[in-house]
Amino acid sequence: GDSVTQMEGPVTLSEEAFLTINCTYTATGYPSLFWYVQYPGEGLQLLLKATKADDKGSNKGFEATYRKETTSFHLEKGSVQVSDSAVYFCALRGIYTGNQFYFGTGTSLTVIP
Amino acid sequence: KAGVTQTPRYLIKTRGQQVTLSCSPISGHRSVSWYQQTPGQGLQFLFEYFSETQRNKGNFPGRFSGRQFSNSRSEMNVSTLELGDSALYLCASSLVPAGGETQYFGPGTRLLVL
Repeated sequence: GDSVTQMEGPVTLSEEAFLTINCTYTATGYPSLFWYVQYPGEGLQLLLKATKADDKGSNKGFEATYRKETTSFHLEKGSVQVSDSAVYFCALRGIYTGNQFYFGTGTSLTVIP
Repeated sequence: KAGVTQTPRYLIKTRGQQVTLSCSPISGHRSVSWYQQTPGQGLQFLFEYFSETQRNKGNFPGRFSGRQFSNSRSEMNVSTLELGDSALYLCASSLVPAGGETQYFGPGTRLLVL
């Protein structure tokens, strides 16, 4: 079945460091891929998405490219800030599973000044 | 425009009891999905409702049920609570069924079963 595997945390970085959070997926066909962010005490917010191969989603300095050949959708940011501290979830929306969403287990990021 | 609201925000119950959680979607949104979030399992899909009909259901026992009203508000019920039901329950709304639109999440209801 469809599934998402993402890098386990927690991840701790210094401010202005480069961030990569790995995400790989298993799915039939061409699912849509998403990154969500969850700040403490809040629900999930959509960070970025890509709906077809080679698409690049971007928002707030974060980027992720839909790579079908490696079934990956890694999240990157060139210079993290303290305010980026949160839990990040990779997700896919399956095509042959009633468009159901599948989420990874989340990666906790802490950015220290 | 108001976001997705969930009530209550926190709940403490004992084993064997039942609980009902409520979700009010963003105005105009007709699809509501429910998820269970736990540290070990991450987010797991429970079910999705659209226009008062259940469209999709995850792999959860029959103790978990839901419904949607004509105003798109949704409730989720868990009967005969078990310790393992302790989790953050998130609801998400979208204009159309999740296949065609981005979901917007509420802040969640944190349930603790003692």
